[in-house]
Amino acid sequence: DTAVSQTPKYLVTQMGNDKSIKCEQNLGHDTMYWYKQDSKKFLKIMFSYNNKELIINETVPNRFSPKSPDKAHLNLHINSLELGDSAVYFCASSPWTSQREKLFFGSGTQLSVL
Amino acid sequence: AQKVTQAQTEISVVEKEDVTLDCVYETRDTTYYLFWYKQPPSGELVFLIRRNSFDEQNEISGRYSWNFQKSTSSFNFTITASQVVDSAVYFCALSEDTGRRALTFGSGTRLQVQP
Repeated sequence: DTAVSQTPKYLVTQMGNDKSIKCEQNLGHDTMYWYKQDSKKFLKIMFSYNNKELIINETVPNRFSPKSPDKAHLNLHINSLELGDSAVYFCASSPWTSQREKLFFGSGTQLSVL
Repeated sequence: AQKVTQAQTEISVVEKEDVTLDCVYETRDTTYYLFWYKQPPSGELVFLIRRNSFDEQNEISGRYSWNFQKSTSSFNFTITASQVVDSAVYFCALSEDTGRRALTFGSGTRLQVQP
C-alpha cells in the first residue's frame, strides 16, 4: 500500500487550461503539504493543511487553490495554467506532534504546460 | 527567518571514494530540527535522517554518517566508500519549533558517483 499517493504522475496541458492534482495519504496523519520543485530542483512549500484547516499559504498566485475534503486528502487545483507553472509538484504528510516529524512524500506530479 | 545553504551544487567522485556534503543553516530558534533527504534519478524523495537541536551526537548508519555542529550551524553528511547507487540529489532541510510546520529545504547537492 502506497503511503502518500498522488495522481496523475504526469500532466501535459496547454496554457490557459485548468487542472487538478489529487493527493491521498493512508498514514493517519493530520498534516498535509504541497511543495513545488522547479527545474533547478529547488523545493518550496506552497500550502499546508492541518485537519482540513489551512495553516500555511505561501506567496502563491491565487490561481492555485488547495482543497482538503478530509484530513486524508489534499488536492491542488490550478486555474489558467501558465508556462511558469511547469514543475514537479509533491504532496507530503506528517503527524501533528509536539516535535517536528519527518515528511512522507508522494512520488510527485510532473506538470508540463505547453 | 530560517535558511538552509548547500553551497556545493554538484560533486563528482569515483566509486569507493568518501564524500562529504555540506549544509549550513540559519535560525533564531533554540529548538529546531534538521533533516536530510535523498532524491535519486527516479524522482522520489527519500528520508535519511532527522536530528533535533539538542542532540549533537554524531550518527552513523552503515556507510552514512552525519556531523552536527551547533557552533558552526552545520549539519554535514558523509558517505563512506561511495557507490554508483548513491548518485542522487541530496537535500538538507530545517524546521523550526515555533511558527509554521514545514521544512525549508536547501538548494540541493547533486552527487555523481562514477564507476
